[in-house]
Amino acid sequence: EAGVTQFPSHSVIEKGQTVTLRCDPISGHDNLYWYRRVMGKEIKFLLHFVKESKQDESGMPNNRFLAERTGGTYSTLKVQPAELEDSGVYFCASSRLSGTSGAAYNEQFFGPGTRLTVL
Amino acid sequence: GQQVMQIPQYQHVQEGEDFTTYCNSSTTLSNIQWYKQRPGGHPVFLIQLVKSGEVKKQKRLTFQFGEAKKNSSLHITATQTTDVGTYFCAAPPNSNSGYALNFGKGTSLLVTP
Repeated sequence: EAGVTQFPSHSVIEKGQTVTLRCDPISGHDNLYWYRRVMGKEIKFLLHFVKESKQDESGMPNNRFLAERTGGTYSTLKVQPAELEDSGVYFCASSRLSGTSGAAYNEQFFGPGTRLTVL
Repeated sequence: GQQVMQIPQYQHVQEGEDFTTYCNSSTTLSNIQWYKQRPGGHPVFLIQLVKSGEVKKQKRLTFQFGEAKKNSSLHITATQTTDVGTYFCAAPPNSNSGYALNFGKGTSLLVTP
């Protein structure tokens, strides 16, 4: 099966501009996640979709970030306006919907990431 | 939510030596996962541990989950150059979150021939 894909692979923008990242999960995966890794720091959870619904967006840094998953397929993450501290690698991951929370078998498949640089 | 602390941050070994990375949490974890990220790549799932005291093996890799479900370790026996990469542990922020993961900072492993 095809893996998780992300577009673009790299993006260089100036502070104040807008960028939209796209993620196409593995077909049939209802769970979709966004993570971010800032250089030298750990991978941070941003939010989680179940189909088209936002299940958990507790990791979103602020209201400059907007994630959507219309139709429950691909997802977009928009940063507007971008700030210098938004630079990092944005990973998308997907997983099947199975089991109950906590003990669920939840192998997450990560995409290659989008490297965002804000100048 | 709880943080998972991972040590060491870096490890440099000679090929054939063993390697271990450790993860610790101040609170009980519902489960813990391990991922590997090769240089320039993305995290790839290795395993999930759920039960107290669980031990799982994958060839030269041994994964353990502590009895109190607050710590975990990954041990590689006789490292090879193909083991190079960053190993992350990850766990749900709390018992109710289910699917979201908090990642440790990772241990970067360098293996020299």
